[in-house]
Amino acid sequence: DQQVKQNSPSLSVQEGRISILNCDYTNSMFDYFLWYKKYPAEGPTFLISISSIKDKNEDGRFTVFLNKSAKHLSLHIVPSQPGDSAVYFCAARVSFGNEKLTFGTGTRLTIIP
Amino acid sequence: EPEVTQTPSHQVTQMGQEVILRCVPISNHLYFYWYRQILGQKVEFLVSFYNNEISEKSEIFDDQFSVERPDGSNFTLKIRSTKLEDSAMYFCASSETGVGANVLTFGAGSRLTVL
Repeated sequence: DQQVKQNSPSLSVQEGRISILNCDYTNSMFDYFLWYKKYPAEGPTFLISISSIKDKNEDGRFTVFLNKSAKHLSLHIVPSQPGDSAVYFCAARVSFGNEKLTFGTGTRLTIIP
Repeated sequence: EPEVTQTPSHQVTQMGQEVILRCVPISNHLYFYWYRQILGQKVEFLVSFYNNEISEKSEIFDDQFSVERPDGSNFTLKIRSTKLEDSAMYFCASSETGVGANVLTFGAGSRLTVL
């Protein structure tokens, strides 16, 4: 059951450049999408979310784009900083009658100083 | 900043033993969750809990598992008769509401190793 997929297990980006993390989903009932960041020995930390009624949401250096027709979302981080090095999880949920989040497998982002 | 606290951080147990993982959710949150992550795999939903009862559970959450809110602050996950495949990181989470984006705040996790 891979309703949420992150096809890139790892990504390396130079400090100051843009990091783009991708996520695809198959369940057309998903209507909220979230990105979580995880450092070693810590739990996932919420980063940014987007509702299916939007195609973009921005918060500081982080922007999430949603393409519903392609069932694809992406997280852009610009400029990338060394502290952004972490594992990033895409997650999705169906907002009515369903509380659970379905996570992707994660992408390990490494920012090269 | 409010946080979700989990204990123990690491538990090693023998196969067949019972374990209890403990969590203190954020005080004004109403929804509580357990997720787990087997090494190298994705974070998987186990169960959600609201108003002192299970509101949703996954197929993973069978009779071997149970959850309880024994007092006003703790939220526990009990795993009876542990199996090797129960070895994983178990994350507790809580949220204010179960609707909309439903942003969950996760604890740091309890690593369970079954030998």
